[in-house]
Amino acid sequence: GAVVSQHPSWVICKSGTSVKIECRSLDFQATTMFWYRQFPKQSLMLMATSNEGSKATYEQGVEKDKFLINHASLTLSTLTVTSAHPEDSSFYICSASGQGLGYGYTFGSGTRLTVV
Amino acid sequence: TQLLEQSPQFLSIQEGENLTVYCNSSSVFSSLQWYRQEPGEGPVLLVTVVTGGEVKKLKRLTFQFGDARKDSSLHITAAQPGDTGLYLCGGGGKLIFGQGTELSVKP
Repeated sequence: GAVVSQHPSWVICKSGTSVKIECRSLDFQATTMFWYRQFPKQSLMLMATSNEGSKATYEQGVEKDKFLINHASLTLSTLTVTSAHPEDSSFYICSASGQGLGYGYTFGSGTRLTVV
Repeated sequence: TQLLEQSPQFLSIQEGENLTVYCNSSSVFSSLQWYRQEPGEGPVLLVTVVTGGEVKKLKRLTFQFGDARKDSSLHITAAQPGDTGLYLCGGGGKLIFGQGTELSVKP
């Protein structure tokens, strides 16, 4: 089945530094990638949608200069949290859709970000 | 803007009981998906419903898509402790999600 590999699975960083999270589609071409943020015991909040080769579309309230999304190829999308602060600590998950997946979407395993 | 309202948000039941989770919207969806998520992991797709009125079964789980394709439900028969987790309904071109249902099944 379709697999999305997300790395790192967890990261601790100092306040003010930047962190990059990668999502790779291993056996299909991800034409669209979604990035979500999730707080404990809560649902997934869509942050942005990216299509390969295009600028990401951010949801209302999400700072595009803080959460940089790059979808430069059909198999790789990255989310960079710039100048991270403790309030950015959260669980970040990517999801991909692509040819051959039908109506389904495949999720990465998530990244637990802790900013200290 | 498409929105999905999921209820209940929390459910704690005893093993063997039945339960139903609802996912409602004022918008029409071409399809809706149900996912289950374990702590610290990404959601795993359970089922996709596409046709209005469709009913799909996955062992003790029964999924239904409303005739107007604006709502869906998940029914679990004889819940087991292994069913514990966060259940999410999602759909739409931007893949939005309802609030989620945190299910706890006690032995």
